[in-house]
Amino acid sequence: NAGVTQTPKFQVLKTGQSMTLQCAQDMNHEYMSWYRQDPGMGLRLIHYSVGAGITDQGEVPNGYNVSRSTTEDFPLRLLSAAPSQTSVYFCASSGPISGNTIYFGEGSWLTVV
Amino acid sequence: AQKVTQAQTEISVVEKEDVTLDCVYETRDTTYYLFWYKQPPSGELVFLIRRNSFDEQNEISGRYSWNFQKSTSSFNFTITASQVVDSAVYFCALALYNQGGKLIFGQGTELSVKP
Repeated sequence: NAGVTQTPKFQVLKTGQSMTLQCAQDMNHEYMSWYRQDPGMGLRLIHYSVGAGITDQGEVPNGYNVSRSTTEDFPLRLLSAAPSQTSVYFCASSGPISGNTIYFGEGSWLTVV
Repeated sequence: AQKVTQAQTEISVVEKEDVTLDCVYETRDTTYYLFWYKQPPSGELVFLIRRNSFDEQNEISGRYSWNFQKSTSSFNFTITASQVVDSAVYFCALALYNQGGKLIFGQGTELSVKP
């Protein structure tokens, strides 16, 4: 049981480059989300999805795009990377009830130079 | 608006000491869930506990215990007889009933347990 899988684990980008962080879950969870973690700020929600074809913005959506074409996958796209997007990114998934356990991927360390 | 505050940025203790990590939350909703996660130096997020707003019973799991008090909007976490392996960043988080999968995190408390 793989749970939530994120790739890549580490990535260095140049300013202006684009890239996609991949996230896949094999638990048939309806809810998926992306967070970024910055020192002293905890984790902040970027985008989330309540099911295939449905996405919405979180607290810090600017500079990021998402889509949810299948239940399993929820990729996060950086269209034009900026140094301010240097961060650790976590993907998460859960069932539809708020009290369900939320499963996190192992994180993706992104550096934009 | 919802908010979670972990006022303690860093805590340093000596092994075998007890330590309490504070968490204060804000929400006007009556139904919500509170969580604690551990992030060890390896970076992954480890789920520790989930508590719903209707269950104020304290919980103990080995050396870990949690004190949930709605009257003070607090959900504090105590580690008894701390060990070096407890060194990590600990996050408290809030999820509203009608917003499944959306966590509001506190800033985190970095706990250092020295031998």
